[in-house]
Amino acid sequence: SQELEQSPQSLIVQEGKNLTINCTSSKTLYGLYWYKQKYGEGLIFLMMLQKGGEEKSHEKITAKLDEKKQQSSLHITASQPSHAGIYLCGADPHFQGAQKLVFGQGTRLTINP
Amino acid sequence: NAGVTQTPKFQVLKTGQSMTLQCAQDMNHEYMSWYRQDPGMGLRLIHYSVGAGITDQGEVPNGYNVSRSTTEDFPLRLLSAAPSQTSVYFCASSYSSGGWGEQFFGPGTRLTVL
Repeated sequence: SQELEQSPQSLIVQEGKNLTINCTSSKTLYGLYWYKQKYGEGLIFLMMLQKGGEEKSHEKITAKLDEKKQQSSLHITASQPSHAGIYLCGADPHFQGAQKLVFGQGTRLTINP
Repeated sequence: NAGVTQTPKFQVLKTGQSMTLQCAQDMNHEYMSWYRQDPGMGLRLIHYSVGAGITDQGEVPNGYNVSRSTTEDFPLRLLSAAPSQTSVYFCASSYSSGGWGEQFFGPGTRLTVL
């Protein structure tokens, strides 16, 4: 079965600094979802990457998919307190759709003012 | 649209009790899923459905039952609650077009089994 490993598990950064979260798969990545979860709340969809080499950006968040490395990275530029939360990567292990995702364990991001 | 709604938000059960977690969506999504989230383990798939009348097991189905009689509703039943089922439960729905697309999550149900 496919497993996703996120690193680091937790991250504390000073407001304004850049940061990167990685998601590494044990098997071929057909596609990768990134979600953000605020403490005690549901998941908010950030981005979906489908093709190797694909890169998407939304506001100050950029995600890339490296199929050869079976890895995706999420980069936040000039972090703000609103970026704090838990970031989760999810993948479709059977290339059958978003209803059966496998998730990483999450990265807890804290932004210090 | 209300999106994906879940009730209740919080629940405390005693070992052996049964209960149903409710999930509804108003986006006419064919695909719906139930996940549980435990500390340090991310989300794990319990059951999923690709349409009314069609359900299948996920990674951790034991102790849970589901049914899908309508497109809108996908309840999760705990048959005989155990402390190991203490967790946060999330319901999600998504479009069916080719399977790819955003999965919308509900706000979660925090369940404690004593």
